[in-house]
Amino acid sequence: DIQMTQSPSSLSASVGDRVTITCRASQTIASYLNWYQQKPGKAPNLLIYAASSLQSGVPSRFSGSGSGTDFTLSISSLQPEDFGTYYCQQSYNTPTFGQGTKVEIK
Amino acid sequence: EVQLVESGGGLVKPGGSLRLSCAASGFIFSDPWMSWVRQAPGKGLEWVGRIKSKTDGGTTDYAAPVKGRFTVSRDDSKNTLYLQMDSLKTEDTAVYYCSTLLTFGGVIVMAYWGQGTLVTVSS
Repeated sequence: DIQMTQSPSSLSASVGDRVTITCRASQTIASYLNWYQQKPGKAPNLLIYAASSLQSGVPSRFSGSGSGTDFTLSISSLQPEDFGTYYCQQSYNTPTFGQGTKVEIK
Repeated sequence: EVQLVESGGGLVKPGGSLRLSCAASGFIFSDPWMSWVRQAPGKGLEWVGRIKSKTDGGTTDYAAPVKGRFTVSRDDSKNTLYLQMDSLKTEDTAVYYCSTLLTFGGVIVMAYWGQGTLVTVSS
């Protein structure tokens, strides 16, 4: 199985801050990388697919980059509603998720 | 509007069995691959298994922790996905989500999700 490692595990940032979450794959996965946001008690929601494509309806402050083994999710200006846990997921072969990054608003 | 509604969760003893259902609406159910994902209390997401569309062979794949114990199936005539869980262990305790697998930009994504159903394995 391909292992996905996210960092940091959690972060606390202020409204308006730029936030960056990284995800590293244990082997190359080209651009077969998706990002999801999950709020407490809710199902995950697709944010970014194919490493850098924004899902319809997702605010443009979210962006993704990377290919191969190293990927990044960025939030350009953190908003109060962006709290939650973010997961990367590879679909190069049978799916695996990163362990998640919990984002809190200061 | 796409809707996925899971049911069948509950309390079961170790070694027992349970069958989860996922009722789908708002799309042609026979088209996409479908998947189950679980989340243990306070933990991250874990992919459980998937089933391809009949057009793509209808085959299944499973995560190592559940292989040989869990079975994913689908009834396209009833627009329903199933997860048969046998030989349950305490570590199978989790919220179980069903999701559609669609291809966006050449990449398979978990595009739509149900609300989840809680399975508790305890004596």
